[in-house]
Amino acid sequence: KQEVTQIPAALSVPEGENLVLNCSFTDSAIYNLQWFRQDPGKGLTSLLLIQSSQREQTSGRLNASLDKSSGRSTLYIAASQPGDSATYLCAVLSGPYTGETSGSRLTFGEGTQLTVNP
Amino acid sequence: NAGVTQTPKFRILKIGQSMTLQCTQDMNHNYMYWYRQDPGMGLKLIYYSVGAGITDKGEVPNGYNVSRSTTEDFPLRLELAAPSQTSVYFCASSYAKSRDSRGEQYFGPGTRLTVT
Repeated sequence: KQEVTQIPAALSVPEGENLVLNCSFTDSAIYNLQWFRQDPGKGLTSLLLIQSSQREQTSGRLNASLDKSSGRSTLYIAASQPGDSATYLCAVLSGPYTGETSGSRLTFGEGTQLTVNP
Repeated sequence: NAGVTQTPKFRILKIGQSMTLQCTQDMNHNYMYWYRQDPGMGLKLIYYSVGAGITDKGEVPNGYNVSRSTTEDFPLRLELAAPSQTSVYFCASSYAKSRDSRGEQYFGPGTRLTVT
């Protein structure tokens, strides 16, 4: 069964710093990996989607990498800004697994709560 | 283009009451999903649908029911609400050409439900 872990659980940095958020998953047989942003009391906003055949995706100041063999992904945020403060969630699409009646599904990590201080 | 919309935004239920959470998407996506998010946790899949008339259970389906009569709508029904169903509920949709080619999931703003 897939398990997704995000480290660190919380991160506080000064404005302008480059930072890396980590995501690890236990089963490397995934279809894709998606990074989301969630603001307090809000829904999820998709940031980047990496298909299983890809190594990285970039959008503006964000770069996400995927190493399927080691079960790891990183989200790199360049020149962080106070507006980047949010919870960042990693999710992998995989399965189904033995005993599950559902099809493949997203398994989410618990998120990294990022605070960028002015 | 509204994307994924959910109603209501907030709801308080008494134990044993029933309600339906509404979800609509206007992106012509074939896949739709319902998740719940408990405080400080990631999201868990309740039910999903691969197209009109087809639904399947996710990770935590007990206490819920769904239907998918149209491509656009995917309502979630809570029967006999319990305090354990206090959570934030998110609906999502995506387009997939095939099982091995899944697109991004787009999320609605959520419904915050309290059962007392």
